[in-house]
Amino acid sequence: EVQLVESGGGLVQPGGSLRLSCAASGVTFNIYSVSWVRQAPGKGLEWVSGIGGTDGTTYYADSVKGRFTISRDKSTNRLYLQMNSLRAEDSAVYYCAKERVGYSTGWSFDYWGQGTLVTVSS
Amino acid sequence: EIVMTQSPVTLSLSPGERATLSCRASQSVSNNLAWYQQKPGQAPRLLVYGTSTRATGIPARFSGSGSGTEFTLTIDSLQSEDFAVYYCQQYNHWPPYTFGQGTNLEIK
Repeated sequence: EVQLVESGGGLVQPGGSLRLSCAASGVTFNIYSVSWVRQAPGKGLEWVSGIGGTDGTTYYADSVKGRFTISRDKSTNRLYLQMNSLRAEDSAVYYCAKERVGYSTGWSFDYWGQGTLVTVSS
Repeated sequence: EIVMTQSPVTLSLSPGERATLSCRASQSVSNNLAWYQQKPGQAPRLLVYGTSTRATGIPARFSGSGSGTEFTLTIDSLQSEDFAVYYCQQYNHWPPYTFGQGTNLEIK
């Protein structure tokens, strides 16, 4: 069974940094592309960043480009999101989500974690 | 960037009725369209991918249709557990993947 468990959220001041982690079981990040998707309180879903399973190519939304960095550790099967220069508008629940099809990128998300809350406030 | 627009924003129906949710793309996304269900405090759940293929474990009362820029999610004979927020997502032109703003299906 696939399980994704996020951690690392919390309260941070504007301009600060935070690193989110997503631990996976039942799935190998070497094969499947994975993404971070966020949801501001009471709002809809926004794709933030993704990383290709086989080649590790990274992708970013314009709203976070240059501030956020996605990475993965193959040895521990963990996904990370390093978030720098945080702004109030980055406050959201951050989900990691696995793409449905392996060995390629550009699919729907069939498994999601429970999310971790990031609050950017002074 | 492909803009996804869902309608209506809120849909009020009674259990047993049929729900019809719409999703429009700003340009063709072929059949690369998915639907998700989200309940309060929970992560989204994949319902339909490839416009019309139900994900594993999704009941047959959920069906998707459409192509190009116009898509529909139909839920036949609404059950109490179906009242939730529904999102469409395109994965034809990425990055970025884009979602609709959601339709809140509420009990009338």
